[in-house]
Amino acid sequence: EMHLAESGGGRVQPGGSLKLSCSASGFTFTHTAMHWVRQAPGKGLEYISAIGSDGADTYYADSVKGRFTVSRDNDRNKLYLQMTSLKEEDTAVYFCSRGVDVWGQGTTVTVSS
Amino acid sequence: DIVMTQSPGSLAVSLGERATINCKSSQSLLYSSDNQNYLAWYQKKPGQPPKLLIYRASTRESGVPDRFSGSGSGTDFTLTISGLQAEDVAVYYCQQYFGLPPYTFGQGTKVEIK
Repeated sequence: EMHLAESGGGRVQPGGSLKLSCSASGFTFTHTAMHWVRQAPGKGLEYISAIGSDGADTYYADSVKGRFTVSRDNDRNKLYLQMTSLKEEDTAVYFCSRGVDVWGQGTTVTVSS
Repeated sequence: DIVMTQSPGSLAVSLGERATINCKSSQSLLYSSDNQNYLAWYQKKPGQPPKLLIYRASTRESGVPDRFSGSGSGTDFTLTISGLQAEDVAVYYCQQYFGLPPYTFGQGTKVEIK
């Protein structure tokens, strides 16, 4: 069974940093581009980042560009999202996904003083 | 970036009646090499991840009840729930996954029971 599990969420002060992880199982991780999507409280789904199967190609939404870094470890079947200079508007549930068909349960990030 | 526009923002439907949600993309999602439209529909409930209902505009995901159907091509797409059930109360999103990222979402449509 294909499975994704996020971890690393928590509460952090504005300006702080946090690193999210996403562990993958049940599919060939090394062959698959991966994505990060978030949902702020009361808001819709926002596509924020992606990384190609070998890690060479990345994408960032303007809202996170320059502050977030996506990476992956294909030996460990893990996806990461390093978040720095966090703002209150980054407060959201963060989901990792394998395209459209496999999603993690999400991890909550709260940025507040 | 491809902009996805969903309508309506919300709708209330009686149990057993039909719900129709529209999604329009700012450019065609039809890939000429395989004649497929790269458009997905999701159901989102609080505290849960998005649940894939439909992919490639009209293919129902395994295990999804057949009251959910997707149609459309190019830039105009529709999700239909035929015979709304109480468990269908949720927010529904379309997402395009044509070409390279970003794979943008529509704003969402909240479906409630009338």
